[in-house]
Amino acid sequence: DQQVKQNSPSLSVQEGRISILNCDYTNSMFDYFLWYKKYPAEGPTFLISISSIKDKNEDGRFTVFLNKSAKHLSLHIVPSQPGDSAVYFCAASAGTLSGSARQLTFGSGTQLTVLP
Amino acid sequence: DTGVSQDPRHKITKRGQNVTFRCDPISEHNRLYWYRQTLGQGPEFLTYFQNEAQLEKSRLLSDRFSAERPKGSFSTLEIQRTEQGDSAMYLCASSYDRASGNTIYFGEGSWLTVV
Repeated sequence: DQQVKQNSPSLSVQEGRISILNCDYTNSMFDYFLWYKKYPAEGPTFLISISSIKDKNEDGRFTVFLNKSAKHLSLHIVPSQPGDSAVYFCAASAGTLSGSARQLTFGSGTQLTVLP
Repeated sequence: DTGVSQDPRHKITKRGQNVTFRCDPISEHNRLYWYRQTLGQGPEFLTYFQNEAQLEKSRLLSDRFSAERPKGSFSTLEIQRTEQGDSAMYLCASSYDRASGNTIYFGEGSWLTVV
């Protein structure tokens, strides 16, 4: 049972344009969501997170949107740069707001390619 | 650099041999995690420590796998009698318990190839 789904295995975007990466989840107990970026042969690097009490969080070129009713979140990257080319993972945890969070559940990732 | 450190970065071993990976978390972090990642998949949770106590284990962690965090600082993950299906990247991560969100920071991973 895949609780976090990234249905697009790949996405190509022109440099300077917006990249939108999507993620859906099924577990209504998830209350904290994160995006990680991963280059080949390296560990995932934390990008941005959002708590379920918010619907938007912005950090520089990265914005995460959360739609709790649809159990959907998205990562927007504006403007996209060639160095953004990597695999992006969506992750979620349950019990964070009550201090009982333990593990993260990851999606399978989306390969973003930003074309110069 | 005071990030999560893992050693070795790469390990090739023959089937049936034992391997051990070490992880040094970010110094002020009290939580330490082990994940496993195979090609085309996201990281999968293996186990978790709060200080020196191992509080949760995934069903992926068969009895050939054992993890320790003896003094609540570094951790080791040992795989006994390795099998070809154990070939993967083993990721260590750490975090600090805070109510505003449990952001987990990963190390660069240890690649295991079982031949």
